[in-house]
Amino acid sequence: GENVEQHPSTLSVQEGDSAVIKCTYSDSASNYFPWYKQELGKRPQLIIDIRSNVGEKKDQRIAVTLNKTAKHFSLHITETQPEDSAVYFCAARLTTDSWGKFQFGAGTQVVVTP
Amino acid sequence: SAVISQKPSRDICQRGTSLTIQCQVDSQVTMMFWYRQQPGQSLTLIATANQGSEATYESGFVIDKFPISRPNLTFSTLTVSNMSPEDSSIYLCSAVTGNYGYTFGSGTRLTVV
Repeated sequence: GENVEQHPSTLSVQEGDSAVIKCTYSDSASNYFPWYKQELGKRPQLIIDIRSNVGEKKDQRIAVTLNKTAKHFSLHITETQPEDSAVYFCAARLTTDSWGKFQFGAGTQVVVTP
Repeated sequence: SAVISQKPSRDICQRGTSLTIQCQVDSQVTMMFWYRQQPGQSLTLIATANQGSEATYESGFVIDKFPISRPNLTFSTLTVSNMSPEDSSIYLCSAVTGNYGYTFGSGTRLTVV
């Protein structure tokens, strides 16, 4: 089955700096890669996603890049703010299984210090 | 995107008892998914619930322990049976809504004492 590895597990950045989280996946047939943000005590929320036919997608201060050849994708947060502090999960859709089923990475705790 | 209501939000249960968690989606969805999230950990899929058929369980999860119902396209329940302290966790339902992404329910924080 699909295996998704996520690094780093924790990331501390100064407010205003950039943050980058990287994920690798094992199933070359996976074709959809969402990123979720989970604030303490709250549900995970989709913040950005990318499909395998696109190399990069941007939404204001966040962007996701995908390298299909290397089977890795990354989340980039620019001009970080304290409200960006949360746990971020990457995921890959398992195309060989039931439609809609995802494999999640282990998560990255991002701390933005003022 | 769709809204998923989940209840209860939290509960403290005695070992050996069962708890049923309910999820209601405000639109029809084909598949619903039940996840478990241990404190500080990632999301682990328990099972996939498709309306009109038995749920499909992931390795390590069995129907006798986690029976699931999916009576229609907007509702599902997960029961945690014969609970032990090891079942203490956050349980989340989810569904694919919008284009491709998951929407999650608000979660149920279960503590077994």
